[in-house]
Amino acid sequence: DAGITQSPRHKVTETGTPVTLRCHQTENHRYMYWYRQDPGHGLRLIHYSYGVKDTDKGEVSDGYSVSRSKTEDFLLTLESATSSQTSVYFCASGLAGRGTDTQYFGPGTRLTVL
Amino acid sequence: DQQVKQNSPSLSVQEGRISILNCDYTNSMFDYFLWYKKYPAEGPTFLISISSIKDKNEDGRFTVFLNKSAKHLSLHIVPSQPGDSAVYFCAAKPLYNNNDMRFGAGTRLTVKP
Repeated sequence: DAGITQSPRHKVTETGTPVTLRCHQTENHRYMYWYRQDPGHGLRLIHYSYGVKDTDKGEVSDGYSVSRSKTEDFLLTLESATSSQTSVYFCASGLAGRGTDTQYFGPGTRLTVL
Repeated sequence: DQQVKQNSPSLSVQEGRISILNCDYTNSMFDYFLWYKKYPAEGPTFLISISSIKDKNEDGRFTVFLNKSAKHLSLHIVPSQPGDSAVYFCAAKPLYNNNDMRFGAGTRLTVKP
């Protein structure tokens, strides 16, 4: 399995506060992804990156921003957290952005917005 | 809109028997399909995949069947083992773009000893 870590693993915050989640991979994968998992919805793509400083929106990007200053790190920021952003967030990475490339997932961050 | 659907939230089977997990999709652009397995407090891990040019792919106890005309795929686990108890996610994407991968809501499989 690819070495992907996420921090923090759990976070409780209040509505209106900024939150940053971190993803770190050691596989030198070019592509990185942020998903959220909610009951009844499976995993939904928030943002993805196809290289350092190259990012784009996914299916549910409103209220989120991302940054990637190094190949190994991908940050997800909630500028002003809302209760609807309470979710489990998964980071993933992959070698290629197409074809039969497999995405490798991190262990997840459980975020609660009160 | 949910382009990938897993209509059974849960499934319980006896150890040694077959587990069949089902998945339906609506987007005709999907031509690559994957199953991921997820244990509690861990991230999903890739299990098995199939391309739309095939109708079956087998890997040990796991077999995925694809029926393109019905836009339906299924995962068979034979024989089922207690360690298979997990949430299984079906995913689908166009081969040309991983960024359009869509996941089903998952099916929780419980294998009873």
